[in-house]
Amino acid sequence: EVQLVESGGGLVKPGGSLRLSCAASGFTLSSYSMNWVRQAPGKGLEWVSSISSSSTYIYYADSVKGRFTISRDNAKNSLYLQMNSLRAEDTAVYYCARAGCSSPSCPPDYWGHGTLVTVSS
Amino acid sequence: DIQMTQSPSSLSASVGDRVTITCRASQGITNDLGWYQQKPGKAPKRLIYAASNLQSGVPSRFSGSGSGTEFTLTISSLQPEDFATYYCLQHNSYPWTFGQGTKVEIK
Repeated sequence: EVQLVESGGGLVKPGGSLRLSCAASGFTLSSYSMNWVRQAPGKGLEWVSSISSSSTYIYYADSVKGRFTISRDNAKNSLYLQMNSLRAEDTAVYYCARAGCSSPSCPPDYWGHGTLVTVSS
Repeated sequence: DIQMTQSPSSLSASVGDRVTITCRASQGITNDLGWYQQKPGKAPKRLIYAASNLQSGVPSRFSGSGSGTEFTLTISSLQPEDFATYYCLQHNSYPWTFGQGTKVEIK
């Protein structure tokens, strides 16, 4: 069974940093691209970042480019999102989502349950 | 960036009704479109991929159609467990963009 478990969320002050992790199980992480998608309270879904299976291709939404860094460690079955210079508008539930294949053009098929990031003073 | 315009933003329907939700892309995206269902407090669940392919395990009352710029999600006979918010996602080009969502409520 595919499982994705996010962790690392919490309350952080504006300008602060946070690192999210996503532990993957039930499949071979190195065979799939991975994604982060977020959802602000009461709002819709927003794609944040994607990384190909071997980290060759990485993409970011303009809203986080230069502040967030996606990475992965296939040996540890883990996906990460380093978030720096956080702003109030980054407050959201962050979902880790597996792509349907190794290509970065494949959309998410399985999602984790999310971790809440709150940016507030 | 490709804009996805989803309509309606909400609808009220009864059990057994046929429901149709539409997504329009601001430019052609071939069939690079998926549909997702989200219930309150839960993660999204994929229903349809490549515009018209049913995700394994999803009931056959869900169907998707369209290509290019106009896409439709249809629920042929609404069931109590289908009351949720539905989103389309274009993955033709980065940045990927979601529709604004359609909340399906009980009439």
